[in-house]
Amino acid sequence: DAGVTQSPTHLIKTRGQQVTLRCSPKSGHDTVSWYQQALGQGPQFIFQYYEEEERQRGNFPDRFSGHQFPNYSSELNVNALLLGDSALYLCASSSRGLRTNSPLHFGNGTRLTVT
Amino acid sequence: GNSVTQMEGPVTLSEEAFLTINCTYTATGYPSLFWYVQYPGEGLQLLLKATKADDKGSNKGFEATYRKETTSFHLEKGSVQVSDSAVYFCALSDQGSWGAQKLVFGQGTRLTINP
Repeated sequence: DAGVTQSPTHLIKTRGQQVTLRCSPKSGHDTVSWYQQALGQGPQFIFQYYEEEERQRGNFPDRFSGHQFPNYSSELNVNALLLGDSALYLCASSSRGLRTNSPLHFGNGTRLTVT
Repeated sequence: GNSVTQMEGPVTLSEEAFLTINCTYTATGYPSLFWYVQYPGEGLQLLLKATKADDKGSNKGFEATYRKETTSFHLEKGSVQVSDSAVYFCALSDQGSWGAQKLVFGQGTRLTINP
């Protein structure tokens, strides 16, 4: 049973460029959340997708956008990259359903470096 | 808003020592509380959780009790091993109306166990 998979594992971009990160949720999960983890910090919630719609959003600018596909996989897009966007980006999946305490399962993340 | 504060690290202990990592929270309502662990190069793994006051979560020898009166969820282990070396994150659920969890994390505590 595959867990949450993310690609790529590492990425180097230049300021001003755009980047797309990808996530496949754990089998049986239908909700995907994205987190940004700066070096030495705890993860911060970016947004959450369910039924192909953004359901909740954290305190991140509109440069951060996402998408969820019919197979529940998801993409995170960041436009006009800044040096401060350098971080580990974590994808987490869960099952919404009626189990409101369904635990989050995290992928290993994509390490983004902006130069 | 909701927030989590962890004791600052890094924490270095000898094998078989007793471990405590302090965690306090600020929240409205009745959040669930979690401890996640992050090993080098990996994503976050759920270590334990508690969903209501006085609940004790436990796993792999680690324990934490949900104390509403002190708004705390301290992590403890009676005898640590070298393999416990990792970064530990305390988190609370900021549950959105869609039922899937949005987590608020502390800044993390790096634990190193020496043989």
